[in-house]
Amino acid sequence: EDKVVQSPLSLVVHEGDTVTLNCSYEVTNFRSLLWYKQEKKAPTFLFMLTSSGIEKKSGRLSSILDKKELFSILNITATQTGDSAVYLCAANLPEYGNKLVFGAGTILRVKS
Amino acid sequence: GAVVSQHPSRVICKSGTSVKIECRSLDFQATTMFWYRQFPKKSLMLMATSNEGSKATYEQGVEKDKFLINHASLTLSTLTVTSAHPEDSSFYICSASSESGGEQFFGPGTRLTVL
Repeated sequence: EDKVVQSPLSLVVHEGDTVTLNCSYEVTNFRSLLWYKQEKKAPTFLFMLTSSGIEKKSGRLSSILDKKELFSILNITATQTGDSAVYLCAANLPEYGNKLVFGAGTILRVKS
Repeated sequence: GAVVSQHPSRVICKSGTSVKIECRSLDFQATTMFWYRQFPKKSLMLMATSNEGSKATYEQGVEKDKFLINHASLTLSTLTVTSAHPEDSSFYICSASSESGGEQFFGPGTRLTVL
């Protein structure tokens, strides 16, 4: 059975802290791993990772994939209260045209 | 960036009625659309995958006669919750993917409440 596991399930930090969110996966026919941020509505896309060892960055967020260890991390530096959200990772499978298997998410709360 | 819309954003209906939710890709052609369901404080659960012009593929445990999916064009898919019951109350989210990439673009979601 394909599965994606995220840790921690929830996290509370203070503004300015750096956080690392973890995502491991066990899937067949893996194509890529995606990170999303979800606030009150639907998820918004952050990163798509297909190759090992290549860091992707967007402002204070960065992410990297390790295809040997079946693992990805999402880093957020200098956290702000606006970073408070649920962060979802998902494994993209090529069957049925890019099916996504989601992890349970990490609830991040940044306190001011 | 790619935009996906959903309509309605919120619906409240009586038990036994049917509800149709539309998902549209506004600026790209979506060969594949996905329908998810999300319960409070839970992750997204894939219900079904639909390709334009063909029957939807349902995930295990999802009743295809209960959740009717139609993907009539490259920009529109609909989900109809038939004979809705209170346990069908949930947040329904669609996403769309073009042929060229693995990225899915999500709609804003529809919150269904069945009384």
